[in-house]
Amino acid sequence: DIVMTQTPLSLSVTPGQPASISCKSSQSLLHSGGKTYLYWYLQKPGQPPQLLIYEVSNRFSGVPDRFSGSGSGTDFTLKISRVEAEDVGVYYCMQTIQLPRYTFGQGTKLEIK
Amino acid sequence: EVQLVESGGGLVQPGGSLGLSCTASGFSFSTYSMNWVRQAPGKGLEWVSYISSSSSTIYYADSVKGRFTITRDNAENSLHLQMNSLRDDDTAVYYCARDSSGWNGGFYYYYGMDVWGQGTTVTVSS
Repeated sequence: DIVMTQTPLSLSVTPGQPASISCKSSQSLLHSGGKTYLYWYLQKPGQPPQLLIYEVSNRFSGVPDRFSGSGSGTDFTLKISRVEAEDVGVYYCMQTIQLPRYTFGQGTKLEIK
Repeated sequence: EVQLVESGGGLVQPGGSLGLSCTASGFSFSTYSMNWVRQAPGKGLEWVSYISSSSSTIYYADSVKGRFTITRDNAENSLHLQMNSLRDDDTAVYYCARDSSGWNGGFYYYYGMDVWGQGTTVTVSS
């Protein structure tokens, strides 16, 4: 199975400052068809996960443009350009290239200083 | 409004059985694949099972294979998870999630799991 490793596991950020989360996969997420199947989710306290980014770098509908995704192969990054209070929660990366086993990273907890 | 609502959670003894349901509304349920994802208390997300729109393709995580069965009723807009031989480590919040793809700006994308329910809690304990 593909193992997804996120770092850091927690971070504390002052509002208005940037934040960055790394996600590394144990195998390349690049499909032979040219697409890379890496996703980012945010789970706010007491809520289900919500989709932020699909296929590495595409913001899902309604996601603020302060969120951006990048990377290729096995190394990926989620960046928040200016953290806001509403961004607190746990961020997960997820791969879907290795059907039928979708796997998530361990999660990165973001809190506000 | 696009919505998924899970039900059926509860307390069950180890070795017991429980059936979960997920009712969809606000979208054409029969055209989407669906998933179950769970989250143990204080832990991360674990994908459990997948079923295609026509039920022709079904997948399970190794941790539940042979014990859990995913089904759907497109006429009733509902997704189900029958859980047998439950173990302590099956204790979790169980979410149903829509599997989605489509065209955007001239390109075809796989959106992943784009709509999630609020979850239903399953506790396996004696």
